Amino acid sequence: GAVVSQHPSRVICKSGTSVKIECRSLDFQATTMFWYRQFPKQSLMLMATSNEGSKATYEQGVEKDKFLINHASLTLSTLTVTSAHPEDSSFYICSARGAGDPSPLHFGNGTRLTVT
Amino acid sequence: QKEVEQDPGPLSVPEGAIVSLNCTYSNSAFQYFMWYRQYSRKGPELLMYTYSSGNKEDGRFTAQVDKSSKYISLFIRDSQPSDSATYLCAMSSGGYQKVTFGTGTKLQVIP
Repeated sequence: GAVVSQHPSRVICKSGTSVKIECRSLDFQATTMFWYRQFPKQSLMLMATSNEGSKATYEQGVEKDKFLINHASLTLSTLTVTSAHPEDSSFYICSARGAGDPSPLHFGNGTRLTVT
Repeated sequence: QKEVEQDPGPLSVPEGAIVSLNCTYSNSAFQYFMWYRQYSRKGPELLMYTYSSGNKEDGRFTAQVDKSSKYISLFIRDSQPSDSATYLCAMSSGGYQKVTFGTGTKLQVIP
């Protein structure tokens, strides 16, 4: 149980284009989803928290107009990297937390974004 | 000082050894403690989830929490080459609160 599916696993795009990453909770309803960015040999950096049906909460230093997050249903959240630049190249990982306390985070398999 | 400190390793052990992975933290409000395993180019996989102090065992894995010392451990018995991965500790002050991660310890189990 508690499977989180993330697509695509890898994407290469040209500078200036936009890329959408999907995160789905397959067997549970995710009241909250989180988007992380991970640099080599570094910890997971929380970018934003999204709750179903409301606006995402962004961490300090994360541009909300660049990283658009939509959490339209209890099983789907999307992250759109707009006008991507090479410095946006990174490993993006989503996670989902179900209802009930305690409820740990379950992660997708990540998306490797390369902007050329 | 980081909220969560974790030795990045790498830690190399022979197959069959007992592995001890540790994290220290500074925030006394942390009550929920997690260990994740992350293979290269994959998302973290939840291994253990514990609340407050004490031990929890699941197969070859044992998680220990010592809140008085602000110290948590993950023990892996009879380590296998397939255990080679990066292990991340994580913690939060509440079930719905922000989760803070360690930087991860890279483990290599040598056949």
